[in-house]
Amino acid sequence: NAGVTQTPKFQVLKTGQSMTLQCAQDMNHNSMYWYRQDPGMGLRLIYYSASEGTTDKGEVPNGYNVSRLNKREFSLRLESAAPSQTSVYFCASRALQGQETQYFGPGTRLLVL
Amino acid sequence: EDKVVQSPLSLVVHEGDTVTLNCSYEVTNFRSLLWYKQEKKAPTFLFMLTSSGIEKKSGRLSSILDKKELFSILNITATQTGDSAVYLCAGAGSGTYKYIFGTGTRLKVLA
Repeated sequence: NAGVTQTPKFQVLKTGQSMTLQCAQDMNHNSMYWYRQDPGMGLRLIYYSASEGTTDKGEVPNGYNVSRLNKREFSLRLESAAPSQTSVYFCASRALQGQETQYFGPGTRLLVL
Repeated sequence: EDKVVQSPLSLVVHEGDTVTLNCSYEVTNFRSLLWYKQEKKAPTFLFMLTSSGIEKKSGRLSSILDKKELFSILNITATQTGDSAVYLCAGAGSGTYKYIFGTGTRLKVLA
């Protein structure tokens, strides 16, 4: 089992460019999450998907869109990148309601110039 | 608005010391509090706490929850350099899939 995988590991964008961060899990988990982590800010929830076919906004959704493509995959899209979106992005998954452990991917480091 | 506050923000100790990390929370319809350890990359799960006064223990790490005073502590005894990391706590409320994370405590253990 690979667990939670993310691609790419690192990306540099220019302001205004778009890109999609990919996340996949092979643990048959129902819920998936996208977080961003900035220095001194902890992890902040961008979007989450409680189950296949549903997505909901988290604390900081502006400037992002998501797609829960199937049970395994949950992608995060930046339509027009801004320097304020420079961050480390983590994807996570969780099995079932009542099972609290989130499993995190290795992260994507994004730099927007 | 729900929030989780951790203290101290950072801590430097020597090997063998005992440390206590604090996490206070205000979470609507509180369900659980979780502790994670984050070294260079992804956070890894340590403990989940749902009931007051019941200590969770794993080796030199232990944690306890006080639902009356709305806080949790994470204790690390006989610290080692491998304990150097950022320790995160997160709170979750009933009926929600969302977790609110604190900003973390950065622990550095010197040899």
